[in-house]
Amino acid sequence: AQRVTQPEKLLSVFKGAPVELKCNYSYSGSPELFWYVQYSRQRLQLLLRHISRESIKGFTADLNKGETSFHLKKPFAQEEDSAMYYCALIMMDGNKLVFGAGTILRVKS
Amino acid sequence: NAGVTQTPKFRILKIGQSMTLQCTQDMNHNYMYWYRQDPGMGLKLIYYSVGAGITDKGEVPNGYNVSRSTTEDFPLRLELAAPSQTSVYFCASSMDPGYEQYFGPGTRLTVT
Repeated sequence: AQRVTQPEKLLSVFKGAPVELKCNYSYSGSPELFWYVQYSRQRLQLLLRHISRESIKGFTADLNKGETSFHLKKPFAQEEDSAMYYCALIMMDGNKLVFGAGTILRVKS
Repeated sequence: NAGVTQTPKFRILKIGQSMTLQCTQDMNHNYMYWYRQDPGMGLKLIYYSVGAGITDKGEVPNGYNVSRSTTEDFPLRLELAAPSQTSVYFCASSMDPGYEQYFGPGTRLTVT
């Protein structure tokens, strides 16, 4: 079964510290993975897609097929990064996403 | 361009009541989705649609129904509301599942 696991419910870091939000997946085949973010009082929105290989707001995520991981990283956390982050995987039928449980990131000053 | 709109924003239902959550998108997207968001559980897919007239069950469809008579609208019907349906409900749409899903602002539903 396709599954996305985000092992941390809450990650708390100080401003300026590195951030790594963990995401592991189970999927047989070539996965398509995403990170979505929900800032306080805002809609859930796409942060980045692995296929785009881009850096958004200083965040990057590398697909590691050997470890079946897609961790989200940022070298220096900022207070405005505080949000709920969801990792998501396209299901094999290609029609829908499966989301992880989400990780709350709190950046303290 | 309003994107994805949902009504109502909040609703309190008594056990056994029914209601319809409305979702409309103006981006001409074929794909539409209904999720529920529960603390610590993430987003769970209730129903989805790949185009007008076509709907399918997601992970947690029990207690819900949907219809898709137009490209724009994808209402979610709750019949016989139960406390377990207390949640935040999000509607989303996308041009293609491989592209961005655009989410509505959510409906916070409480069943007591």
